[in-house]
Amino acid sequence: SQQGEEDPQALSIQEGENATMNCSYKTSINNLQWYRQNSGRGLVHLILIRSNEREKHSGRLRVTLDTSKKSSSLLITASRAADTASYFCATDAWYAGNNRKLIWGLGTSLAVNP
Amino acid sequence: GAVVSQHPSWVICKSGTSVKIECRSLDFQATTMFWYRQFPKQSLMLMATSNEGSKATYEQGVEKDKFLINHASLTLSTLTVTSAHPEDSSFYICSASLDRGLGDTQYFGPGTRLTVL
Repeated sequence: SQQGEEDPQALSIQEGENATMNCSYKTSINNLQWYRQNSGRGLVHLILIRSNEREKHSGRLRVTLDTSKKSSSLLITASRAADTASYFCATDAWYAGNNRKLIWGLGTSLAVNP
Repeated sequence: GAVVSQHPSWVICKSGTSVKIECRSLDFQATTMFWYRQFPKQSLMLMATSNEGSKATYEQGVEKDKFLINHASLTLSTLTVTSAHPEDSSFYICSASLDRGLGDTQYFGPGTRLTVL
């Protein structure tokens, strides 16, 4: 399957704790993106990290990328109840037929308890 | 900027009917649009890539006669689910890109929830 994999599938933490989600993929990539999706709603783009970058920050978010291991992690620090959502990674890569597209991971369901 | 809308946001239809979903880029011209479907508690699966003025490129396993895609202008793409059946019930999401490649970011619509009775 071309689809990325994420772990854990589900994560439950207390408010104020940090949450770490991981994503692994199979091909060489142009960039890797993280998105958030609240239940039954649309996607919110969180952060994009290019293949030549190793770490990126945005507010309480920290993303790392290890292209040698084909993996990425998303860290949410000082979590809040409002962070409760599903988090997806998506890899931007070229495929057969000069076809460039996003391939999505399975997602991590994060529950932040007040 | 870079807002994408979808209409309708939800639709319920009887089995056998056809349903059209619109995806519009409101403040930019989208050379490329993408259609995804998402089953409950699952990830997004790319259905097809649509370039303005040309035929859509469908992913393996997606029936092009079942899911008709038209990208007639730089701001509008439509997905028509023909002769819908209960197994077509899903969350359909479109996205738009500024260039023929992916560019850096796809801009996503809010999704359309289709329920086929």
